[in-house]
Amino acid sequence: DQQVKQNSPSLSVQEGRISILNCDYTNSMFDYFLWYKKYPAEGPTFLISISSIKDKNEDGRFTVFLNKSAKHLSLHIVPSQPGDSAVYFCAATQTGANNLFFGTGTRLTVIP
Amino acid sequence: EAQVTQNPRYLITVTGKKLTVTCSQNMNHEYMSWYRQDPGLGLRQIYYSMNVEVTDKGDVPEGYKVSRKEKRNFPLILESPSPNQTSLYFCASSLSGYRGAKNIQYFGAGTRLSVL
Repeated sequence: DQQVKQNSPSLSVQEGRISILNCDYTNSMFDYFLWYKKYPAEGPTFLISISSIKDKNEDGRFTVFLNKSAKHLSLHIVPSQPGDSAVYFCAATQTGANNLFFGTGTRLTVIP
Repeated sequence: EAQVTQNPRYLITVTGKKLTVTCSQNMNHEYMSWYRQDPGLGLRQIYYSMNVEVTDKGDVPEGYKVSRKEKRNFPLILESPSPNQTSLYFCASSLSGYRGAKNIQYFGAGTRLSVL
């Protein structure tokens, strides 16, 4: 039973435009969310995170938005660059828990 | 260089032949974890360890064993591999156990396992 879902397996965006990657979760106990990026033949690397006490967190070109009532979060990349082409995973956990639940991933392709 | 090292990177084996995938980190991290990545299912946690001699089941522990005898090493053991364990496996580590899975995890490059 997938507790974290990324319903778009892939997304293509023109260079310079905004990329929006979406993630939904079902467990209302989740209170901390992370995004990881994965290039081919490499392990995932951390990108950005957000706590449920916030509804937005920004780091350079990357912004994560959290809508707790909808159990939805999104990652915005502005402007998108070809080097952003990768698979993006969202992940969720809860305070006091030691396990992490990942979504199925979205493959982003930024077209030059 | 700070890193998580997995070996082997690629492995083809046959059903029932015991195998071990090694994982080592040089960052003195307390928390270590194993994941498998499958198409359409994303990354799923197999086991994790909060510290030496402390391990616990993740989401999909069946058919796997782990041990944490030293802080730096966290091997994944398949006692009797089956074809449904064909997957891409990742080991990860993070600094401190008290924040649990909120900590940033550093991943190895992956081990692609095929069980025939």
